[in-house]
Amino acid sequence: DIQMTQSPSSVSASVGDRVTITCRASQGISSWLAWYQQKPGKAPKLLIYAASSLQSGVPSRFSGSGSGTDFTLTISSLQPEDFATYYCQQANSFPPLTFGGGTKVEIK
Amino acid sequence: EVQLVESGGGLVQPGGSLRLSCAASGFTFSSYSMNWVRQAPGKGLEWVSYISSSSSTIYYADSVKGRFTISRDNAKNSLYLQMNSLRAEDTAVYYCARPAVTTLLDYWGQGTLVTVSS
Repeated sequence: DIQMTQSPSSVSASVGDRVTITCRASQGISSWLAWYQQKPGKAPKLLIYAASSLQSGVPSRFSGSGSGTDFTLTISSLQPEDFATYYCQQANSFPPLTFGGGTKVEIK
Repeated sequence: EVQLVESGGGLVQPGGSLRLSCAASGFTFSSYSMNWVRQAPGKGLEWVSYISSSSSTIYYADSVKGRFTISRDNAKNSLYLQMNSLRAEDTAVYYCARPAVTTLLDYWGQGTLVTVSS
């Protein structure tokens, strides 16, 4: 199974800050990576697929990059509604689907 | 509008059984494969099971293989998860999720909480 490792596990940031989250796959997954946002008590929401493609309706301050084993999610200017937990997920090898452990973006 | 509504969660004793349901609407249910994903309290996301649109292909996570059974009724636009021999570690919110393509989950239900405890 492909293991997904996210870092950091949490980050404290202020509104307007640039935030970068990293995800590493245990083996190459080309660009088969998705990012999800989850707010407390809510279901995850697909933000980015194919490593860098923005899901419809997702603000352009979110961007993704990377290929192979190393990927990043960047929020260019953090907004109050962006405080949430973010998960990466490999979409290359199935089954199983595997997710990273999550990165919680908290208010500084 | 795509909607997925889970039901059937609750408190069950270790070794017990529970059947979860997911009612789908707003899309052609019979054309899509479906998944169950769970999240233990305060923990991350764990994929549980997959079923193809025609039920011809089914997969399970190793952690539930032999204990859980996924099924669907396309005539009723419904997805199910029969959970037997439940353990404390199965305690989680269970989400049904529809993939845009096989491995990208673009719609999720609100989840149903399963608590396994004596």
